Amino acid sequence: GQNIDQPTEMTATEGAIVQINCTYQTSGFNGLFWYQQHAGEAPTFLSYNVLDGLEEKGRFSSFLSRSKGYSYLLLKELQMKDSASYLCAFMDSNYQLIWGAGTKLIIKP
Amino acid sequence: IAGITQAPTSQILAAGRRMTLRCTQDMRHNAMYWYRQDLGLGLRLIHYSNTAGTTGKGEVPDGYSVSRANTDDFPLTLASAVPSQTSVYFCASSAGSGGHNEQFFGPGTRLTVL
Repeated sequence: GQNIDQPTEMTATEGAIVQINCTYQTSGFNGLFWYQQHAGEAPTFLSYNVLDGLEEKGRFSSFLSRSKGYSYLLLKELQMKDSASYLCAFMDSNYQLIWGAGTKLIIKP
Repeated sequence: IAGITQAPTSQILAAGRRMTLRCTQDMRHNAMYWYRQDLGLGLRLIHYSNTAGTTGKGEVPDGYSVSRANTDDFPLTLASAVPSQTSVYFCASSAGSGGHNEQFFGPGTRLTVL
């Protein structure tokens, strides 16, 4: 079967670093996506990994280990506007996205 | 129009009524998708279309139908609404259906079925 898991909620301090983990199980894999979703808004694309390793994009980085079925999103220099839900999704063998329930990130001053 | 739009923004509907949610994109994307998002659950794919004239079933297609007569429009129809279809519905599109094709989402339709 297929499944994907990420923590429900995390809290971090403004200016700090936070790592949001995502684990998945699937027999067919075509990449791992991270999206950001502010409350009441649509998800917006953050990153895509298909090969093992770290992809850095400004304050955000995403890591993938295909052998471990594991990814994380690293957010540096946290700002209050980073308070949002972060959605992890993998693309299965049918090229459909299977989504985690999202991690709600709360940033405190 | 810039990007992807959905209508209506929100709707309260009596059970048993028919309802069509509209979705239009102006990015000339080939692939389009309908998801529902419920509290505590991930986005779940209802139906998709890899190109105009074709559609496919996603994870939760029962009670919903779609059509893709042209590239821009992808309406979702609830033939006879039930309370379990209360949800936030997102339409999305991508340039292609495989690999590194990020999906762009519309603003969503909040539907309540009473």
